Amino acid sequence: QKEVEQNSGPLSVPEGAIASLNCTYSDRVSQSFFWYRQYSGKSPELIMSIYSNGDKEDGRFTAQLNKASQYVSLLIRDSQPSDSATYLCAVRGQAGTALIFGKGTTLSVSS
Amino acid sequence: GAGVSQSPRYKVAKRGQDVALRCDPISGHVSLFWYQQALGQGPEFLTYFQNEAQLDKSGLPSDRFFAERPEGSVSTLKIQRTQQEDSAVYLCASSSPSVGSAGAQHFGDGTRLSIL
Repeated sequence: QKEVEQNSGPLSVPEGAIASLNCTYSDRVSQSFFWYRQYSGKSPELIMSIYSNGDKEDGRFTAQLNKASQYVSLLIRDSQPSDSATYLCAVRGQAGTALIFGKGTTLSVSS
Repeated sequence: GAGVSQSPRYKVAKRGQDVALRCDPISGHVSLFWYQQALGQGPEFLTYFQNEAQLDKSGLPSDRFFAERPEGSVSTLKIQRTQQEDSAVYLCASSSPSVGSAGAQHFGDGTRLSIL
């Protein structure tokens, strides 16, 4: 059974702080890793993708991947109240196959 | 259109009725996925199409669920003899085969199905 694990939270951080979201996965042959943001009542929105070990930065977001440890994380710098949402980690094997999602971590950024 | 379009946004049906949910993917996207998302959970895979071919239907929970994509564009997810446990948000996603995007999936707004 392929699994993706996330701490459900809620993770509470003050405005301007760094939020750190973590995810582990069970399938060692996973090749692609995604972070989606989902506001309440809305659909998942892709915010980051990462395919190789190391860090990938995009604006305030940094994704980190460690395939040896089967671990992927998302850092949000200078957190804003508008970042308050559920963050879903998703993992995929070969291209064109289904995403396996974690249950999501709820982030709350207080002003 | 610019994004994945799903209709209806909300559907209420009585237990035992049949329902049909529609997905119009991003133009040019050959891959189309259906997911089911229960409250407080991540999306769970139902089925996958590449063009008109249904390549994986391993996630469909029962034979009451049926999906089709006859012309390789619009897809319909049909649920027959609905049960209360079918109440969920049904999400459709599409992806491009281009190397640059590496097949990232983009989601529609979903259909929220409530079975009374």
